[in-house]
This record gives sequence, structure tokens and C-alpha cells, in this order.
Amino acid sequence: DTAVSQTPKYLVTQMGNDKSIKCEQNLGHDTMYWYKQDSKKFLKIMFSYNNKELIINETVPNRFSPKSPDKAHLNLHINSLELGDSAVYFCASSQVSRQVRTFGSGTRLTVV
Amino acid sequence: AQTVTQSQPEMSVQEAETVTLSCTYDTSESDYYLFWYKQPPSRQMILVIRQEAYKQQNATENRFSVNFQKAAKSFSLKISDSQLGDAAMYFCAYRTIPDTNFGNEKLTFGTGTRLTIIP
Repeated sequence: DTAVSQTPKYLVTQMGNDKSIKCEQNLGHDTMYWYKQDSKKFLKIMFSYNNKELIINETVPNRFSPKSPDKAHLNLHINSLELGDSAVYFCASSQVSRQVRTFGSGTRLTVV
Repeated sequence: AQTVTQSQPEMSVQEAETVTLSCTYDTSESDYYLFWYKQPPSRQMILVIRQEAYKQQNATENRFSVNFQKAAKSFSLKISDSQLGDAAMYFCAYRTIPDTNFGNEKLTFGTGTRLTIIP
């Protein structure tokens, strides 16, 4: 069983489109995250949610909107996609009382 | 703000040899966590080893060990008996201690070191 699963794994879309990436964790963790890994492999946090409440919101354009319907899910919706949004997006989860963050396998988004 | 620096963009090592990957960080905190993550071509981020700053003893996980120098803010990873499956990007990461039970702790990554294993 996959602990943190993201769908889709690959997404190719045109500029201006709206797309969503879904994330689900079956670990019973109470905190979930979205990270962006750019072409230079640099990983940077975008958002974190704890018990469906937004905790961290880094300087990310308003076009990015996370949605957490429940503790086990954190989706990322992106409006009006731009070329610079092309990256690998990672979902992760953790139990706050523990140190380890478990990552999904990433979604490679390519905007053309 | 905390920063994590990995000064070696690429490293290579002969199979069965030992290699050390460097990491330095900057923080004003006295307590925190440090991690090494591995990202193979499959893209999955895999935890390799972790270290709590308040522990003086260096963490060890099988062939992986760290040299944690708190005063120098250095956290290097040593891989012994390198295997072909060790080939990957390695990321050093720093994590703050949350001041509440909320998820406001931040995990800051370095820019990564690409490790190549030479057969």
C-alpha cells in the first residue's frame, strides 16, 4: 500500500489552463504539505495543513489554492497555468509529534 | 531564516568505496532536527538518516552515518561500501521544532548533491 499517493504522476497542459493535483495519505498523519521542486532540483515548501487548517503559506501566487477536505487529503489547484509553473510537485505528510516527513512520488507538471 | 548549503553539486565514488557528502546550515536555534534524504531517478524522496541537535552522538543507519558538528553547523553524510543502488540526488534538510502542536515547523532543503557510483 502506498503511504502518500499523488495523482496524476505526469501532467502536460497548455498555458492558461486550470489543473488540479490530488494527494492522499493513509498513515493517519495530521499534517500534510505541498512542495515544489524546480528544474535545479531545489525543493521549497508551498503550503502545510494541520487538521484541515492552513498553517504555512509561503509566498506562492494566488493562482495556487490548496484544499483539504479531510485530514487524509490535500489537493492543489492551479489556475491560469504559466510556463514557470513547470516543476515537480511533491505532497508529504507527517505526524506533528514526530520528526519524519513521508513524501509522495511527485507529480511532474509541464506547461507548454 | 535558516539556510542549508550543499557545496558539492556532484560527487562520484567507486563501488565499494566510501564517500562523504557535505552540508552546512545556518540557524540561531539551539534545538532542531537534521536529515539526509535520497531522491533516486524514481523521484521518490526517501529518508536516509536523521539527527536531533541535542544529541551529541552521531546517527548511524547501516552503511550510512553522519558527522554532526554543532558548533561548526556542519552535518556531513558518509556512505560506506557504496553500492550501485546508492546512485541518487542527496538532499540535506533542516527542520525547526514546532512551538505548538501545529504543523508550523519548516523543513528547509539544500540544493542537493548528485552521487554517481562507478562500477
